[in-house]
Amino acid sequence: DVKVTQSLRYLVKRTGEKVFLECVQDMDHENMFWYRQDPGLGLRLIYFSYDVKMKEKGDIPEGYSVSREKKERFSLILESASTNQTSMYLCASLGGTNEKLFFGSGTQLSVL
Amino acid sequence: DQQVKQNSPSLSVQEGRISILNCDYTNSMFDYFLWYKKYPAEGPTFLISISSIKDKNEDGRFTVFLNKSAKHLSLHIVPSQPGDSAVYFCAATLTTSGTYKYIFGTGTRLKVLA
Repeated sequence: DVKVTQSLRYLVKRTGEKVFLECVQDMDHENMFWYRQDPGLGLRLIYFSYDVKMKEKGDIPEGYSVSREKKERFSLILESASTNQTSMYLCASLGGTNEKLFFGSGTQLSVL
Repeated sequence: DQQVKQNSPSLSVQEGRISILNCDYTNSMFDYFLWYKKYPAEGPTFLISISSIKDKNEDGRFTVFLNKSAKHLSLHIVPSQPGDSAVYFCAATLTTSGTYKYIFGTGTRLKVLA
């Protein structure tokens, strides 16, 4: 089975700090995604990548950047964390057109 | 602009009865529709999908129905079990210019009462 690993389950940061969330998948998938989940808002797409060094903005990219230097690794960066970025962050990977997304277990980020 | 909508934030059903979760969408260009289930502190897991050219797909206790004219899909769970208690997200896929996006609804929290 596909494994998508987000090693940090919980993270607490202060306003203005840099935050680095990492996601690793083990199935050689080309497509990787970062979502955030907030109550009443569902899953909202932040950024996605369809190949190494390629990235596309999702629906809510403001305040975030991403890095995809290797196929298996997709990182989400918050250059200067703010309290409204407190959320559950979910990474996912996708093997091909219209296949199912595989999600990591998520990182609950709290920005104080 | 919410292209995929789940208008019921929560639903309670007795064990053994049918659970019906609903989803509406606005974009007729969606290729596939999927349902994901999410338990607290875990990532969503895939449940069942349906192509936009079909109107029904069944997998065990789970059936998804697609009504393209109404831009509506529904997930039926029969019989419902306490372990089905979770948040259910419907999602739609959109292929544009060689890339594809998954667009999720806001989720419905299902509680199956024993």
